[in-house]
Order: sequence, then C-alpha cells, then structure tokens
Amino acid sequence: EPEVTQTPSHQVTQMGQEVILRCVPISNHLYFYWYRQILGQKVEFLVSFYNNEISEKSEIFDDQFSVERPDGSNFTLKIRSTKLEDSAMYFCASSPTGEGGYTFGSGTRLTVV
Amino acid sequence: AQSVTQPDIHITVSEGASLELRCNYSYGATPYLFWYVQSPGQGLQLLLKYFSGDTLVQGIKGFEAEFKRSQSSFNLRKPSVHWSDAAEYFCAVGGVGYGQNFVFGPGTRLSVLP
Repeated sequence: EPEVTQTPSHQVTQMGQEVILRCVPISNHLYFYWYRQILGQKVEFLVSFYNNEISEKSEIFDDQFSVERPDGSNFTLKIRSTKLEDSAMYFCASSPTGEGGYTFGSGTRLTVV
Repeated sequence: AQSVTQPDIHITVSEGASLELRCNYSYGATPYLFWYVQSPGQGLQLLLKYFSGDTLVQGIKGFEAEFKRSQSSFNLRKPSVHWSDAAEYFCAVGGVGYGQNFVFGPGTRLSVLP
C-alpha cells in the first residue's frame, strides 16, 4: 500500500535554529498537509498546499513557518527560528482529491532544547 | 466552525469485551467523518470513513462506526477487543471542497486488560 514517508523520525534542535522537516507524499496525490501534535494534546491543522501554493493555513502557521514543494516528490515544512513550544510531533498527509481520508506519514518528533 | 468532541478521555476494557468509543461533531453541512488510530510513538492510521450512503461503515481491524445524523454522532465499535487494540483513537470531521482540512477530536485512550 502506498505510504507517505517522513524524515527524520526524530530531530533535536537548539532554540533559535532553523529546521526543515521532509515528506514524500503519495505520488499521484495533489493535496498536501502538515499537522502537529503537542505531546498529550490533540492533532492540530497547520497548512494545506495545492497547485504549488498554500490553500489554507491555521493561526498556528505564522511567519516562522513556510512550506515548499521543491521538486516533484518532496514537500517540506521549514521552521525558521525554533522555540521551545514548537516541540511536537509533526505529521505530513496527502490526499488525491482534497476531500479527506488523508494518508498520514508516521511523523517527525521535533524536540527543541 | 466545525468541532469534534470525544467525551471519554480514557477507557479500559478487558480483552474479548466489546468496545464503543463515542464521537460527537458540530458541522454546518453534511460532514465527512473519520476515525484514526495512533499507537504509541506511531503515526495516524485511518480506520474508516463516512462520506455518504450506508450509515454503518466497516473499517479495518474489525472496527465499524455508525453515523447518526439526528444525534450528530459517529461512534466507533468493535465486538471483541484484542490486546493490540490498545492505542489512542481520534475522531475527525471534514467537509466537501477544495483544500479542506480536518478537525480532530481530543482523542480517547484505550487500555486493554488481559
């Protein structure tokens, strides 16, 4: 079964540093998403991406965040200057039609120290 | 705005017992409804989804869920729980359209006693 692949599985970074989380969505999917889950809390929407641009974003997705599809296969989330409160599990998801039933990746656990 | 509530934060059942996890939603139109499962340290796996049609939907791992519009509910059930079902379960609601995002419920943690 096709999978969404995320790398790395765990990343530790110092506060103030930039991090890039990488995702390889399913090849024929057109809609891409990032979600995050702070430890012990619910999964929160960050951003959706379609046709090489952001289609929706939440309040969490402020100027320190950016997304990019640098080539035909990767989808990245960049956090420019990490804060302690950015520590969370970040999930990438993709969908063929944008109407839900997304396939999620296994997540990247980001720890900011 | 859409919202999802899962009234039970933590449920404990014995192996072999039946299970029902509750989910209620608020949405202005006909929702798309989903259940995901998350094992410790793992990603989110789709158990089942409801878009339209038969209100009783079957999913993977022997799970089923019933959509009840009048109660705004989408409860997840399993007739006989296995120890490997211990995990966090998330209900989610989404809508029709372009670039729609999900709203997840807070989750219900399931523990299974041997």
